[in-house]
Amino acid sequence: ETGVTQSPTHLIKTRGQQVTLRCSSQSGHNTVSWYQQALGQGPQFIFQYYREEENGRGNFPPRFSGLQFPNYSSELNVNALELDDSALYLCASSVRDRGSGNTIYFGEGSWLTVV
Amino acid sequence: AQSVAQPEDQVNVAEGNPLTVKCTYSVSGNPYLFWYVQYPNRGLQFLLKYITGDNLVKGSYGFEAEFNKSQTSFHLKKPSALVSDSALYFCAVRDKGRDDKIIFGKGTRLHILP
Repeated sequence: ETGVTQSPTHLIKTRGQQVTLRCSSQSGHNTVSWYQQALGQGPQFIFQYYREEENGRGNFPPRFSGLQFPNYSSELNVNALELDDSALYLCASSVRDRGSGNTIYFGEGSWLTVV
Repeated sequence: AQSVAQPEDQVNVAEGNPLTVKCTYSVSGNPYLFWYVQYPNRGLQFLLKYITGDNLVKGSYGFEAEFNKSQTSFHLKKPSALVSDSALYFCAVRDKGRDDKIIFGKGTRLHILP
């Protein structure tokens, strides 16, 4: 167990709708990142939050947004869902202050299907 | 830009035989390299990492990886494969930019044949 929990585990949405995915970081971890893993692909970095502020962003449109809360839990919001948004969304937590060699731990993911 | 490459989409190994899953990297400076495993319908599990020091890194479930700077490789190995090792394996590198994100390879599916 990594101590990173995500909800919901599975959900189905209709094109054009909005979705919110949630993540609870491992205790003591101050950095949370979100990744999208499409079927048959490796995970792709969406963005990272550190101390409640966005700290970096991958090649994803603005309709992908996030939040990090004071207890370091996080949300990923996706607006105007498209069929290509169907994927496994992975949350990952780490301790940034310890440098780039620290390990990133992943949750089990949220499977999103857009129909 | 940092990147990793996994040249094999799939690797088949008989149970009990040694296994190798290949990974090469392209980075500026010293790399921070990782291996993760993904079982069916599950998230990613950390196996091992290379930051500095000994070129042979030992990790979870009996896996190890050898860092080779001259060949820019970080191959994953195990002396004796188990059927339960069948899974999707990802090599990854830490980007040393502002967000130190993880950049993943496309993955290698490992089949251990009974």
